[in-house]
Amino acid sequence: GESVGLHLPTLSVQEGDNSIINCAYSNSASDYFIWYKQESGKGPQFIIDIRSNMDKRQGQRVTVLLNKTVKHLSLQIAATQPGDSAVYFCAENMNYGGSQGNLIFGKGTKLSVKP
Amino acid sequence: EAGVAQSPRYKIIEKRQSVAFWCNPISGHATLYWYQQILGQGPKLLIQFQNNGVVDDSQLPKDRFSAERLKGVDSTLKIQPAKLEDSAVYLCASSLEHSNQPQHFGDGTRLSIL
Repeated sequence: GESVGLHLPTLSVQEGDNSIINCAYSNSASDYFIWYKQESGKGPQFIIDIRSNMDKRQGQRVTVLLNKTVKHLSLQIAATQPGDSAVYFCAENMNYGGSQGNLIFGKGTKLSVKP
Repeated sequence: EAGVAQSPRYKIIEKRQSVAFWCNPISGHATLYWYQQILGQGPKLLIQFQNNGVVDDSQLPKDRFSAERLKGVDSTLKIQPAKLEDSAVYLCASSLEHSNQPQHFGDGTRLSIL
């Protein structure tokens, strides 16, 4: 099976609340992780990334947390807005040597924001 | 900065026919990827190029799928002959150098096989 998975397939939040999307990975050799947002009919849009030598990284309204002990990744969205409604994918780079690897995507979590 | 361009946006063909997709990556990006995204799933890597060389094509069904990036810029992905299970969105992405850098995606080609 896939090594990257999501705990919740759907998430519904009230506008203005914070959202937390979780992701589990199984490959301890993965060295790079990305969160993508995908709206209907569009390609995945890069949100934020984190390398395995970090625990936390912040962007504009988003924070990614990496817990290597339990192989867990989360995306926090502050003050969720209707425009945040989309499917969110986590992806891990499974390094097979050198500087390259395979980006493995999970199945995605659908975030719905209620006005 | 212009994003990844893909064409066509939609394609409908009958099984056993052939189809080709085109991708123009972000200017200056050495690495180009083709992904297949089946409805309700995450993208799955088919092939990865660095410049005009293949880095990884282990997930490409080579009996029917082929891809090239002859001049290290644009790329084409071809399916011949198509099967019903090939119905999916075909996404192209590019990154500066390596797979452990952000990959930026085009909006894909939605392929329907009748």
